[in-house]
Amino acid sequence: SQKIEQNSEALNIQEGKTATLTCNYTNYSPAYLQWYRQDPGRGPVFLLLIRENEKEKRKERLKVTFDTTLKQSLFHITASQPADSATYLCALANTGNQFYFGTGTSLTVIP
Amino acid sequence: DGGITQSPKYLFRKEGQNVTLSCEQNLNHDAMYWYRQDPGQGLRLIYYSQIVNDFQKGDIAEGYSVSREKKESFPLTVTSAQKNPTAFYLCASALRSGGETQYFGPGTRLLVL
Repeated sequence: SQKIEQNSEALNIQEGKTATLTCNYTNYSPAYLQWYRQDPGRGPVFLLLIRENEKEKRKERLKVTFDTTLKQSLFHITASQPADSATYLCALANTGNQFYFGTGTSLTVIP
Repeated sequence: DGGITQSPKYLFRKEGQNVTLSCEQNLNHDAMYWYRQDPGQGLRLIYYSQIVNDFQKGDIAEGYSVSREKKESFPLTVTSAQKNPTAFYLCASALRSGGETQYFGPGTRLLVL
Protein backbone atom coordinates (compact mmCIF):
# COMPACT_ATOMS: atom_id res chain seq x y z
CA SER A 1 0.00 0.00 0.00
CA GLN A 2 1.05 3.60 -0.48
CA LYS A 3 3.15 5.24 2.21
CA ILE A 4 3.68 8.96 2.74
CA GLU A 5 6.34 10.29 5.08
CA GLN A 6 6.93 13.82 6.21
CA ASN A 7 9.68 15.24 8.44
CA SER A 8 9.50 12.89 11.40
CA GLU A 9 10.35 15.54 13.95
CA ALA A 10 9.03 19.00 14.60
CA LEU A 11 10.89 21.79 12.86
CA ASN A 12 12.00 24.91 14.74
CA ILE A 13 13.53 27.81 12.84
CA GLN A 14 14.41 31.41 13.46
CA GLU A 15 12.20 34.15 12.11
CA GLY A 16 13.34 35.35 8.70
CA LYS A 17 14.94 32.05 7.71
CA THR A 18 13.63 29.64 5.09
CA ALA A 19 11.72 26.61 6.33
CA THR A 20 11.99 23.47 4.21
CA LEU A 21 9.57 20.59 4.73
CA THR A 22 9.81 17.24 2.97
CA CYS A 23 7.22 14.79 1.75
CA ASN A 24 8.38 11.39 0.52
CA TYR A 25 6.13 8.69 -0.85
CA THR A 26 6.36 5.08 -1.98
CA ASN A 27 4.15 2.62 -3.84
CA TYR A 28 2.19 5.34 -5.55
CA SER A 29 2.24 7.46 -8.69
CA PRO A 30 0.29 10.60 -7.92
CA ALA A 31 -1.04 12.89 -10.58
CA TYR A 32 -1.25 15.73 -8.05
CA LEU A 33 0.42 16.68 -4.84
CA GLN A 34 -1.05 19.25 -2.49
CA TRP A 35 0.11 21.06 0.63
CA TYR A 36 -2.22 22.11 3.41
CA ARG A 37 -1.78 24.10 6.59
CA GLN A 38 -3.52 23.00 9.80
CA ASP A 39 -3.77 25.00 12.99
CA PRO A 40 -4.53 23.23 16.30
CA GLY A 41 -8.15 22.13 16.60
CA ARG A 42 -9.06 23.31 13.10
CA GLY A 43 -9.50 21.87 9.64
CA PRO A 44 -6.68 21.94 7.09
CA VAL A 45 -6.50 24.86 4.67
CA PHE A 46 -5.30 24.39 1.10
CA LEU A 47 -2.06 26.15 0.15
CA LEU A 48 -0.66 24.85 -3.13
CA LEU A 49 -1.20 22.16 -5.74
CA ILE A 50 1.47 20.85 -8.10
CA ARG A 51 0.90 18.40 -10.94
CA GLU A 52 3.15 15.51 -11.91
CA ASN A 53 4.38 17.31 -15.02
CA GLU A 54 5.33 20.43 -13.06
CA LYS A 55 8.69 20.80 -11.35
CA GLU A 56 8.02 23.87 -9.26
CA LYS A 57 5.17 26.11 -8.15
CA ARG A 58 5.29 29.41 -6.29
CA LYS A 59 2.80 31.51 -4.39
CA GLU A 60 4.02 34.58 -2.54
CA ARG A 61 6.53 33.29 0.06
CA LEU A 62 5.72 29.64 -0.66
CA LYS A 63 7.47 27.34 -3.10
CA VAL A 64 6.80 23.68 -3.83
CA THR A 65 8.91 21.30 -5.87
CA PHE A 66 7.89 17.89 -7.12
CA ASP A 67 10.39 15.22 -8.19
CA THR A 68 8.57 12.13 -9.44
CA THR A 69 11.85 10.27 -9.92
CA LEU A 70 12.86 10.75 -6.29
CA LYS A 71 9.21 10.48 -5.22
CA GLN A 72 9.61 13.59 -3.18
CA SER A 73 8.15 17.04 -2.72
CA LEU A 74 9.81 19.92 -0.91
CA PHE A 75 7.81 22.78 0.57
CA HIS A 76 9.64 26.03 1.29
CA ILE A 77 8.51 29.06 3.27
CA THR A 78 10.87 31.97 2.75
CA ALA A 79 11.26 34.90 5.17
CA SER A 80 9.37 32.86 7.76
CA GLN A 81 7.24 34.59 10.37
CA PRO A 82 5.86 33.43 13.74
CA ALA A 83 2.41 33.42 12.11
CA ASP A 84 3.65 30.61 9.84
CA SER A 85 3.80 28.30 12.89
CA ALA A 86 1.41 25.41 12.22
CA THR A 87 1.32 21.81 11.05
CA TYR A 88 1.79 21.32 7.32
CA LEU A 89 0.30 18.32 5.55
CA CYS A 90 1.09 16.94 2.15
CA ALA A 91 -1.55 15.01 0.24
CA LEU A 92 -1.31 12.88 -2.87
CA ALA A 93 -4.09 12.23 -5.32
CA ASN A 94 -4.57 10.45 -8.56
CA THR A 95 -7.13 11.12 -11.23
CA GLY A 96 -9.28 8.77 -9.19
CA ASN A 97 -11.15 9.74 -6.10
CA GLN A 98 -8.98 9.34 -3.06
CA PHE A 99 -6.50 11.59 -1.38
CA TYR A 100 -3.74 10.18 0.81
CA PHE A 101 -2.37 12.43 3.54
CA GLY A 102 0.96 12.41 5.32
CA THR A 103 1.20 12.68 9.10
CA GLY A 104 2.22 16.32 8.92
CA THR A 105 5.18 18.35 10.09
CA SER A 106 4.88 20.76 12.99
CA LEU A 107 6.67 24.03 12.27
CA THR A 108 7.52 26.61 14.91
CA VAL A 109 9.02 29.94 13.86
CA ILE A 110 10.87 31.54 16.76
CA PRO A 111 10.82 35.35 16.98
CA ASP B 1 -21.10 33.48 2.87
CA GLY B 2 -19.97 30.21 1.29
CA GLY B 3 -18.32 27.43 3.13
CA ILE B 4 -18.48 24.07 4.79
CA THR B 5 -19.84 23.64 8.29
CA GLN B 6 -19.74 20.82 10.79
CA SER B 7 -21.71 20.35 13.95
CA PRO B 8 -21.44 19.87 16.79
CA LYS B 9 -17.92 21.04 17.66
CA TYR B 10 -17.75 18.50 20.50
CA LEU B 11 -19.76 15.29 20.80
CA PHE B 12 -19.91 12.78 23.60
CA ARG B 13 -20.88 9.19 22.99
CA LYS B 14 -22.01 6.67 25.53
CA GLU B 15 -21.20 2.98 25.28
CA GLY B 16 -23.34 1.25 22.65
CA GLN B 17 -24.76 4.48 21.29
CA ASN B 18 -24.89 5.59 17.68
CA VAL B 19 -24.09 9.26 17.05
CA THR B 20 -24.38 11.36 13.90
CA LEU B 21 -22.01 14.11 12.84
CA SER B 22 -23.38 16.79 10.54
CA CYS B 23 -21.61 18.20 7.47
CA GLU B 24 -23.15 20.85 5.21
CA GLN B 25 -21.68 22.80 2.30
CA ASN B 26 -23.07 25.62 0.17
CA LEU B 27 -20.20 25.64 -2.33
CA ASN B 28 -22.15 23.60 -4.89
CA HIS B 29 -19.44 20.95 -4.73
CA ASP B 30 -20.11 17.48 -6.11
CA ALA B 31 -17.62 15.54 -4.00
CA MET B 32 -17.66 15.22 -0.22
CA TYR B 33 -15.35 13.33 2.14
CA TRP B 34 -15.11 12.21 5.74
CA TYR B 35 -11.73 11.82 7.43
CA ARG B 36 -10.63 10.76 10.85
CA GLN B 37 -7.54 12.30 12.48
CA ASP B 38 -5.79 10.76 15.48
CA PRO B 39 -2.86 12.34 17.34
CA GLY B 40 0.39 11.91 15.43
CA GLN B 41 -1.37 10.38 12.45
CA GLY B 42 -2.39 11.69 9.11
CA LEU B 43 -5.95 12.03 7.92
CA ARG B 44 -7.52 8.68 7.11
CA LEU B 45 -10.42 8.45 4.71
CA ILE B 46 -13.64 6.95 6.06
CA TYR B 47 -16.13 7.49 3.23
CA TYR B 48 -16.45 9.67 0.17
CA SER B 49 -19.21 10.60 -2.23
CA GLN B 50 -18.88 11.86 -5.79
CA ILE B 51 -22.56 12.48 -6.42
CA VAL B 52 -25.92 12.46 -4.69
CA ASN B 53 -27.16 9.00 -3.68
CA ASP B 54 -23.75 7.45 -4.22
CA PHE B 55 -20.83 6.90 -1.85
CA GLN B 56 -17.80 4.62 -1.48
CA LYS B 57 -15.88 3.21 1.43
CA GLY B 58 -12.49 4.62 2.25
CA ASP B 59 -9.68 2.89 4.10
CA ILE B 60 -11.37 2.71 7.52
CA ALA B 61 -15.13 2.47 6.87
CA GLU B 62 -15.87 -0.28 9.41
CA GLY B 63 -18.14 0.96 12.19
CA TYR B 64 -19.29 4.00 10.22
CA SER B 65 -22.16 4.77 7.86
CA VAL B 66 -23.07 7.72 5.64
CA SER B 67 -25.84 9.00 3.42
CA ARG B 68 -25.91 11.51 0.56
CA GLU B 69 -29.55 12.37 -0.02
CA LYS B 70 -28.81 16.00 -0.86
CA LYS B 71 -25.87 17.59 -2.63
CA GLU B 72 -25.28 19.92 0.31
CA SER B 73 -25.29 17.35 3.08
CA PHE B 74 -23.13 14.32 3.96
CA PRO B 75 -23.81 13.15 7.52
CA LEU B 76 -21.62 10.52 9.18
CA THR B 77 -22.97 8.06 11.74
CA VAL B 78 -20.54 6.49 14.17
CA THR B 79 -22.13 3.21 15.15
CA SER B 80 -21.68 1.12 18.26
CA ALA B 81 -19.59 -1.25 16.12
CA GLN B 82 -16.80 1.35 16.07
CA LYS B 83 -14.84 0.32 19.16
CA ASN B 84 -12.39 3.19 19.22
CA PRO B 85 -14.34 6.26 18.07
CA THR B 86 -12.45 8.93 20.00
CA ALA B 87 -10.88 11.16 17.35
CA PHE B 88 -11.12 14.44 15.46
CA TYR B 89 -13.49 14.08 12.49
CA LEU B 90 -13.09 16.28 9.44
CA CYS B 91 -15.49 16.73 6.56
CA ALA B 92 -14.30 18.12 3.22
CA SER B 93 -15.76 18.95 -0.15
CA ALA B 94 -14.33 19.44 -3.62
CA LEU B 95 -15.76 20.73 -6.86
CA ARG B 96 -15.19 17.34 -8.43
CA SER B 97 -13.41 14.22 -7.28
CA GLY B 98 -9.91 13.45 -8.44
CA GLY B 99 -7.14 15.80 -7.41
CA GLU B 100 -9.24 18.88 -6.85
CA THR B 101 -8.61 21.20 -3.94
CA GLN B 102 -10.44 20.06 -0.84
CA TYR B 103 -12.16 22.54 1.44
CA PHE B 104 -12.36 21.38 5.03
CA GLY B 105 -14.86 22.08 7.74
CA PRO B 106 -13.82 23.07 11.27
CA GLY B 107 -14.06 19.49 12.58
CA THR B 108 -15.95 17.63 15.28
CA ARG B 109 -14.16 16.15 18.25
CA LEU B 110 -15.83 12.94 19.40
CA LEU B 111 -15.22 11.71 22.93
CA VAL B 112 -16.44 8.54 24.59
CA LEU B 113 -17.93 8.72 28.08
